[in-house]
Amino acid sequence: RKEVEQDPGPFNVPEGATVAFNCTYSNSASQSFFWYRQDCRKEPKLLMSVYSSGNEDGRFTAQLNRASQYISLLIRDSKLSDSATYLCVSSGGSYIPTFGRGTSLIVHP
Amino acid sequence: DVKVTQSSRYLVKRTGEKVFLECVQDMDHENMFWYRQDPGLGLRLIYFSYDVKMKEKGDIPEGYSVSREKKERFSLILESASTNQTSMYLCASSPPTGFTGNTIYFGEGSWLTVV
Repeated sequence: RKEVEQDPGPFNVPEGATVAFNCTYSNSASQSFFWYRQDCRKEPKLLMSVYSSGNEDGRFTAQLNRASQYISLLIRDSKLSDSATYLCVSSGGSYIPTFGRGTSLIVHP
Repeated sequence: DVKVTQSSRYLVKRTGEKVFLECVQDMDHENMFWYRQDPGLGLRLIYFSYDVKMKEKGDIPEGYSVSREKKERFSLILESASTNQTSMYLCASSPPTGFTGNTIYFGEGSWLTVV
């Protein structure tokens, strides 16, 4: 199965900072992309879908670059509660999503 | 809201025991998955099912089997538990390909310790 790659981090940022994660995917047939958030010892939960035109949800912005085969997640004005692991997911023509191993974010006071 | 329920949250089993992990989803999803997650290794797919009585191996099926007799229920079976199967097991479901972009929903996880 093709892979999705992420920098594991951790990204250690102060409150209020802007932080960005990238994720590369190798399957050019991938059609759907997502960012999931996973708190320690909890299940992953959908943070946002990633559309071709990019999308924004409050402090979070996700973008897709098909030419370079990567997606990104930008978090503005980081909060302590944003500390978590962020998983990148791609889904191609099959129903099996491919998960990255996650990027750890630590927001400190 | 989609609900994926894993009935056993924390289990401690002895080596060689047979272990059943049950998962039920309430959204009439066709696809269901079992993953295990270990530190540093991310999510690894054990088995998935795209329809009742249908199953396919994922990346690490050895030592596991599954059962899907009803659409809403997908069970993971460890025929003879071993210590290297100590892990967090996550069940998930998703609608068919092409619908809502295959958004996948997870249960809360089952923490299995094999001693």
